[in-house]
Amino acid sequence: DGGITQSPKYLFRKEGQNVTLSCEQNLNHDAMYWYRQDPGQGLRLIYYSQIVNDFQKGDIAEGYSVSREKKESFPLTVTSAQKNPTAFYLCASSRDRGYQPQHFGDGTRLSIL
Amino acid sequence: QQQVKQSPQSLIVQKGGISIINCAYENTAFDYFPWYQQFPGKGPALLIAIRPDVSEKKEGRFTISFNKSAKQFSLHIMDSQPGDSATYFCAAYNMDSNYQLIWGAGTKLIIKP
Repeated sequence: DGGITQSPKYLFRKEGQNVTLSCEQNLNHDAMYWYRQDPGQGLRLIYYSQIVNDFQKGDIAEGYSVSREKKESFPLTVTSAQKNPTAFYLCASSRDRGYQPQHFGDGTRLSIL
Repeated sequence: QQQVKQSPQSLIVQKGGISIINCAYENTAFDYFPWYQQFPGKGPALLIAIRPDVSEKKEGRFTISFNKSAKQFSLHIMDSQPGDSATYFCAAYNMDSNYQLIWGAGTKLIIKP
Protein backbone atom coordinates (compact mmCIF):
# COMPACT_ATOMS: atom_id res chain seq x y z
CA ASP A 1 0.00 0.00 0.00
CA GLY A 2 1.29 3.45 -0.87
CA GLY A 3 1.55 5.98 1.88
CA ILE A 4 3.64 8.11 4.19
CA THR A 5 5.53 6.69 7.14
CA GLN A 6 6.59 8.91 10.00
CA SER A 7 8.84 7.74 12.81
CA PRO A 8 9.08 7.65 15.70
CA LYS A 9 5.48 8.05 16.87
CA TYR A 10 6.66 9.62 20.16
CA LEU A 11 9.91 11.48 20.77
CA PHE A 12 11.38 13.19 23.80
CA ARG A 13 13.96 15.94 23.63
CA LYS A 14 16.34 17.07 26.30
CA GLU A 15 17.37 20.69 26.67
CA GLY A 16 20.03 21.69 24.15
CA GLN A 17 19.50 18.59 22.03
CA ASN A 18 18.75 18.35 18.32
CA VAL A 19 16.31 15.65 17.26
CA THR A 20 15.41 14.37 13.80
CA LEU A 21 11.97 13.24 12.69
CA SER A 22 11.77 10.81 9.82
CA CYS A 23 9.34 10.99 6.89
CA GLU A 24 9.31 8.49 4.02
CA GLN A 25 6.80 8.24 1.17
CA ASN A 26 6.31 5.61 -1.52
CA LEU A 27 3.69 7.53 -3.49
CA ASN A 28 6.24 8.82 -6.02
CA HIS A 29 5.20 12.36 -5.12
CA ASP A 30 7.43 15.31 -5.98
CA ALA A 31 6.28 17.69 -3.24
CA MET A 32 6.68 17.12 0.48
CA TYR A 33 5.76 19.22 3.49
CA TRP A 34 6.29 19.51 7.22
CA TYR A 35 3.57 20.98 9.42
CA ARG A 36 3.33 21.70 13.11
CA GLN A 37 0.00 21.18 14.88
CA ASP A 38 -0.75 22.73 18.28
CA PRO A 39 -4.01 22.28 20.21
CA GLY A 40 -6.77 24.58 18.99
CA GLN A 41 -4.75 25.76 16.02
CA GLY A 42 -4.67 24.84 12.39
CA LEU A 43 -1.65 23.31 10.74
CA ARG A 44 1.27 25.67 10.29
CA LEU A 45 3.80 25.11 7.51
CA ILE A 46 7.41 24.67 8.60
CA TYR A 47 9.17 23.74 5.34
CA TYR A 48 8.24 22.36 1.96
CA SER A 49 10.12 20.82 -0.93
CA GLN A 50 8.96 20.74 -4.54
CA ILE A 51 11.80 18.60 -5.83
CA VAL A 52 14.91 16.77 -4.70
CA ASN A 53 17.71 19.02 -3.39
CA ASP A 54 15.38 22.00 -3.12
CA PHE A 55 13.31 23.22 -0.18
CA GLN A 56 11.67 26.43 0.96
CA LYS A 57 10.88 27.93 4.34
CA GLY A 58 7.28 28.05 5.44
CA ASP A 59 5.70 30.37 7.98
CA ILE A 60 7.49 29.02 11.08
CA ALA A 61 10.90 27.74 9.89
CA GLU A 62 12.99 29.25 12.70
CA GLY A 63 14.59 26.55 14.83
CA TYR A 64 14.02 23.82 12.23
CA SER A 65 16.05 22.41 9.35
CA VAL A 66 15.34 19.91 6.58
CA SER A 67 17.04 18.06 3.76
CA ARG A 68 15.75 16.42 0.57
CA GLU A 69 18.47 14.18 -0.78
CA LYS A 70 16.07 11.53 -2.06
CA LYS A 71 12.61 11.84 -3.55
CA GLU A 72 11.19 9.46 -0.95
CA SER A 73 12.64 11.10 2.16
CA PHE A 74 12.21 14.47 3.85
CA PRO A 75 13.62 14.45 7.41
CA LEU A 76 13.01 17.33 9.80
CA THR A 77 15.52 18.34 12.47
CA VAL A 78 14.23 20.24 15.47
CA THR A 79 17.24 22.17 16.72
CA SER A 80 18.00 23.48 20.19
CA ALA A 81 17.18 26.94 18.82
CA GLN A 82 13.49 25.97 18.77
CA LYS A 83 12.51 27.00 22.30
CA ASN A 84 8.98 25.62 22.26
CA PRO A 85 9.19 22.36 20.32
CA THR A 86 6.40 20.47 22.10
CA ALA A 87 3.85 19.76 19.36
CA PHE A 88 2.44 17.19 16.95
CA TYR A 89 4.47 17.15 13.73
CA LEU A 90 2.89 16.06 10.48
CA CYS A 91 4.58 15.20 7.21
CA ALA A 92 2.63 15.32 3.96
CA SER A 93 3.21 14.83 0.27
CA SER A 94 1.44 15.73 -2.95
CA ARG A 95 1.95 14.81 -6.59
CA ASP A 96 3.26 18.29 -7.21
CA ARG A 97 2.65 21.84 -6.05
CA GLY A 98 -0.70 23.33 -6.95
CA TYR A 99 -4.20 22.11 -6.22
CA GLN A 100 -3.09 18.58 -5.47
CA PRO A 101 -4.48 16.87 -2.37
CA GLN A 102 -1.96 16.44 0.39
CA HIS A 103 -1.51 12.97 1.86
CA PHE A 104 -0.44 12.84 5.49
CA GLY A 105 1.48 10.49 7.73
CA ASP A 106 0.26 9.68 11.24
CA GLY A 107 2.53 12.21 12.89
CA THR A 108 5.24 12.37 15.53
CA ARG A 109 4.46 13.77 18.96
CA LEU A 110 7.50 15.59 20.36
CA SER A 111 7.77 16.45 24.04
CA ILE A 112 10.41 18.07 26.23
CA LEU A 113 11.99 16.04 29.04
CA GLN B 1 -5.67 38.41 5.20
CA GLN B 2 -3.52 35.30 5.42
CA GLN B 3 -6.02 33.21 7.35
CA VAL B 4 -9.14 31.15 7.22
CA LYS B 5 -11.55 31.67 10.12
CA GLN B 6 -13.38 28.52 11.18
CA SER B 7 -16.29 28.12 13.59
CA PRO B 8 -17.40 26.66 15.89
CA GLN B 9 -14.36 25.40 17.76
CA SER B 10 -16.35 22.40 18.97
CA LEU B 11 -19.74 20.93 18.14
CA ILE B 12 -21.94 18.24 19.65
CA VAL B 13 -24.69 16.77 17.48
CA GLN B 14 -27.15 13.97 18.09
CA LYS B 15 -26.92 10.89 15.92
CA GLY B 16 -28.97 11.43 12.78
CA GLY B 17 -28.73 15.21 12.98
CA ILE B 18 -27.03 17.70 10.67
CA SER B 19 -23.56 18.97 11.54
CA ILE B 20 -22.63 22.39 10.13
CA ILE B 21 -19.15 23.92 10.19
CA ASN B 22 -18.47 27.37 8.78
CA CYS B 23 -15.39 29.04 7.32
CA ALA B 24 -14.64 32.53 6.05
CA TYR B 25 -11.73 34.23 4.32
CA GLU B 26 -10.77 37.66 3.01
CA ASN B 27 -7.91 37.09 0.60
CA THR B 28 -9.16 36.98 -2.99
CA ALA B 29 -6.06 34.98 -3.95
CA PHE B 30 -7.57 31.98 -2.14
CA ASP B 31 -9.10 29.93 -4.93
CA TYR B 32 -9.62 26.28 -4.08
CA PHE B 33 -11.12 25.02 -0.85
CA PRO B 34 -10.62 21.52 0.59
CA TRP B 35 -11.93 20.03 3.81
CA TYR B 36 -9.88 17.54 5.79
CA GLN B 37 -10.97 15.07 8.48
CA GLN B 38 -8.62 14.06 11.29
CA PHE B 39 -9.08 11.25 13.82
CA PRO B 40 -7.12 11.31 17.10
CA GLY B 41 -3.49 10.27 16.67
CA LYS B 42 -3.76 10.30 12.88
CA GLY B 43 -2.93 12.72 10.11
CA PRO B 44 -5.68 14.63 8.30
CA ALA B 45 -7.25 13.06 5.22
CA LEU B 46 -8.95 14.87 2.35
CA LEU B 47 -12.73 14.67 2.64
CA ILE B 48 -14.11 16.88 -0.12
CA ALA B 49 -13.05 20.03 -2.01
CA ILE B 50 -14.73 22.78 -4.02
CA ARG B 51 -13.76 25.35 -6.66
CA PRO B 52 -14.99 28.93 -6.26
CA ASP B 53 -17.07 28.78 -9.46
CA VAL B 54 -19.28 26.09 -7.95
CA SER B 55 -21.90 26.93 -5.31
CA GLU B 56 -22.38 23.43 -3.94
CA LYS B 57 -20.70 20.04 -4.06
CA LYS B 58 -22.09 16.85 -2.58
CA GLU B 59 -20.39 13.55 -1.88
CA GLY B 60 -22.56 11.10 -0.03
CA ARG B 61 -23.61 12.62 3.28
CA PHE B 62 -21.07 15.46 2.97
CA THR B 63 -21.93 18.73 1.21
CA ILE B 64 -19.90 21.90 0.77
CA SER B 65 -21.79 25.14 0.20
CA PHE B 66 -19.79 28.06 -1.21
CA ASN B 67 -20.73 31.76 -1.29
CA LYS B 68 -18.08 33.54 -3.35
CA SER B 69 -19.43 37.08 -2.86
CA ALA B 70 -19.50 36.65 0.93
CA LYS B 71 -16.19 34.73 0.93
CA GLN B 72 -17.76 32.03 3.07
CA PHE B 73 -18.07 28.29 2.76
CA SER B 74 -19.48 25.58 4.95
CA LEU B 75 -19.50 21.81 5.44
CA HIS B 76 -22.78 20.03 6.11
CA ILE B 77 -22.80 16.45 7.35
CA MET B 78 -26.24 14.93 6.92
CA ASP B 79 -27.48 12.02 9.07
CA SER B 80 -24.42 12.41 11.32
CA GLN B 81 -23.05 9.15 12.73
CA PRO B 82 -20.80 8.39 15.72
CA GLY B 83 -18.08 7.38 13.24
CA ASP B 84 -18.08 10.99 11.99
CA SER B 85 -16.69 12.14 15.35
CA ALA B 86 -13.38 13.75 14.41
CA THR B 87 -11.73 17.13 13.96
CA TYR B 88 -12.58 18.86 10.69
CA PHE B 89 -10.38 21.47 9.04
CA CYS B 90 -11.30 23.82 6.24
CA ALA B 91 -8.44 25.12 4.14
CA ALA B 92 -7.70 27.31 1.15
CA TYR B 93 -5.01 27.32 -1.50
CA ASN B 94 -3.31 30.69 -1.88
CA MET B 95 -2.32 31.07 -5.53
CA ASP B 96 -0.23 34.15 -4.67
CA SER B 97 2.10 32.19 -2.39
CA ASN B 98 2.94 29.21 -4.59
CA TYR B 99 -0.32 27.44 -3.73
CA GLN B 100 0.39 27.27 -0.02
CA LEU B 101 -2.45 25.59 1.84
CA ILE B 102 -3.84 27.88 4.56
CA TRP B 103 -5.67 26.03 7.33
CA GLY B 104 -8.56 26.91 9.59
CA ALA B 105 -8.17 26.21 13.32
CA GLY B 106 -10.33 23.10 13.25
CA THR B 107 -13.69 22.00 14.66
CA LYS B 108 -13.91 19.07 17.04
CA LEU B 109 -17.15 17.27 16.22
CA ILE B 110 -18.75 14.80 18.61
CA ILE B 111 -21.77 12.78 17.52
CA LYS B 112 -23.79 11.51 20.48
CA PRO B 113 -25.41 8.08 20.02
